[in-house]
Amino acid sequence: AQSVAQPEDQVNVAEGNPLTVKCTYSVSGNPYLFWYVQYPNRGLQFLLKYITGDNLVKGSYGFEAEFNKSQTSFHLKKPSALVSDSALYFCAVRDINAGNMLTFGGGTRLMVKP
Amino acid sequence: NAGVTQTPKFQVLKTGQSMTLQCAQDMNHEYMSWYRQDPGMGLRLIHYSVGAGITDQGEVPNGYNVSRSTTEDFPLRLLSAAPSQTSVYFCASSPGLAGGVTGELFFGEGSRLTVL
Repeated sequence: AQSVAQPEDQVNVAEGNPLTVKCTYSVSGNPYLFWYVQYPNRGLQFLLKYITGDNLVKGSYGFEAEFNKSQTSFHLKKPSALVSDSALYFCAVRDINAGNMLTFGGGTRLMVKP
Repeated sequence: NAGVTQTPKFQVLKTGQSMTLQCAQDMNHEYMSWYRQDPGMGLRLIHYSVGAGITDQGEVPNGYNVSRSTTEDFPLRLLSAAPSQTSVYFCASSPGLAGGVTGELFFGEGSRLTVL
């Protein structure tokens, strides 16, 4: 089965520090990977995706993600965290076993403290 | 632009009742899907559609029914509500391309359902 795992339920970081939210994947074939963010009482919003090409993908709001094939990881990063980045973050993979729809990880809550 | 519109936003049902969650998109997207979100479990795919007249089951389809008579609408029906269906439901659409979703999913604001 195709899947993604987010090993951390919560990540705490101080404002201005770099942040990393981890994601590992398990797929057959080439992975199509995504990151989404969810603010309270809202739907998910797309941040970035990896389809092919450069291993470092840049997305919205200053976020980027690094695709690492050997480690089967797709970690989300930002050089300098903002309090407004506090939200729930989801990693997702295109799932050939689900009509090529997206399968999501369990989510990681990011808390950025002033 | 309206994007993806879900109604109702909140609903309380009694066990055994039926209801329909409505989802409409005005972006002419081929792909539409329903997810449920439960604490600690992320989003799980219930049903999806790759075009009008075509639907298929996702990871957790039991107790739910869907239809796709038009490109715009993708209603989710709860046949006989159970407490285990208490959740937040999200509808999402994507333009997709042949072979599957390659771009972003556009999500509705969610429908919070409580089954007593």
